[in-house]
Formats: sequence, C-alpha cells, structure tokens
Amino acid sequence: AQTVTQSQPEMSVQEAETVTLSCTYDTSENNYYLFWYKQPPSRQMILVIRQEAYKQQNATENRFSVNFQKAAKSFSLKISDSQLGDTAMYFCAFCTQGGSEKLVFGKGMKLTVNP
Amino acid sequence: AAGVIQSPRHLIKEKRETATLKCYPIPRHDTVYWYQQGPGQDPQFLISFYEKMQSDKGSIPDRFSAQQFSDYHSELNMSSLELGDSALYFCASTEDRVADTQYFGPGTRLTVL
Repeated sequence: AQTVTQSQPEMSVQEAETVTLSCTYDTSENNYYLFWYKQPPSRQMILVIRQEAYKQQNATENRFSVNFQKAAKSFSLKISDSQLGDTAMYFCAFCTQGGSEKLVFGKGMKLTVNP
Repeated sequence: AAGVIQSPRHLIKEKRETATLKCYPIPRHDTVYWYQQGPGQDPQFLISFYEKMQSDKGSIPDRFSAQQFSDYHSELNMSSLELGDSALYFCASTEDRVADTQYFGPGTRLTVL
C-alpha cells in the first residue's frame, strides 16, 4: 500500500519569503504521479503542481516548484515570494499509473503567510 | 473554463435519514472519484467510476452507494446517516482514468444532527 507522509503539521513565513514544504512517500510502483493540492479556508481543493515519476526534470508553475528525488522518495514544494493568498492547508498526494488511480493524501500542512 | 459542479453545497440531515449528493464532472471527463474529508483530516477515497462502471472502491460504508449515469454525472446515496458521516464530500473528475490530474469540485458539506 502506498503511504504519504508530511511531517510538518504547521509552518509560518513572512510575506515575500521563500518556504519549502516537505513530503515523503512509500511505494513499490515505478510509474506514478505526485501532486500538491492547496486547500484555503474556503475548503476548495486546488491543484498547485504535478510531477510525473518518469520525468527527471522538476516541475515548476510560476512561484511554485518541486524538488523530486525519486530514489529518496521525496517530493518537496518550494513557494517563492510568498503571498498572503498562499495561506492554506497544503496536501501532498500520490497516485499510481495504470492501476488504482485514487489519490492517497498526506495529513496536510497548514501554511500561514504573515504580512 | 468549466469546473466540477456539486450539489447541494450544504446539507443538514437528522440521524437515520437519507442523503443524495450529486456531481457533474467537467465536460468530456468520463471518470469520477468521490472523497470524504472529516474535520481536520485529509481526504479519503470512497469510490470511483469510469465510463459508468465502478472502477475502484475504498473505505465506503455499506450504507453508501453510488453510480454514474449516461451523461457521466454521478450520485452518492447515503442511508441510515450517522453523526460520524458529517464531513465534506468531494467529487473529482479526470478526462482519462489513467492517472490524469483530478480536478475537484467545491464539495458538499454534510452535517448530521
């Protein structure tokens, strides 16, 4: 069974600073996808970024980038130039490719961006 | 761009009552997933459908059932509601069941009194 671990339950950062959210996962699969979802106070689940395991290049989306270390089964999210609107719960998620495509989530991390 | 639609957005029921949650996927998306998120918890997978057939089943109670219709919308039927069923229920859809990105609806907040 796949598991996703987010060891930091909560972090805070000042506006405009850079912050890194950590995530590790465990799987015996070779082909899979990794995601970061953001859940603001509205409780909407918003996709932040996704990474295909077969790609060596780390995914980037504007201020958001990942550090994907497949051998270490690590998938961290870096948020640059933090903004007040980044305040949210962040969930790391995993799904296999070609089998059961359900998302397995980590417990989440609450990020607060302070002015 | 069109998003996943869920209705109702809020639902209040008494114990032992029945509830039906509806999900309308993004146009051309043929795969639907249901998740349950309890207070302070991560979303837990309940059930999924691909081309109107159940494709996977998670920790869904026997009191719950679901189906996907010919227009690809899906309904989650919940009977004999319990206090512990109070949660946020998400529907997500993808264009292809092979691990494409899941896009989530706004959720239905169910409160059981």
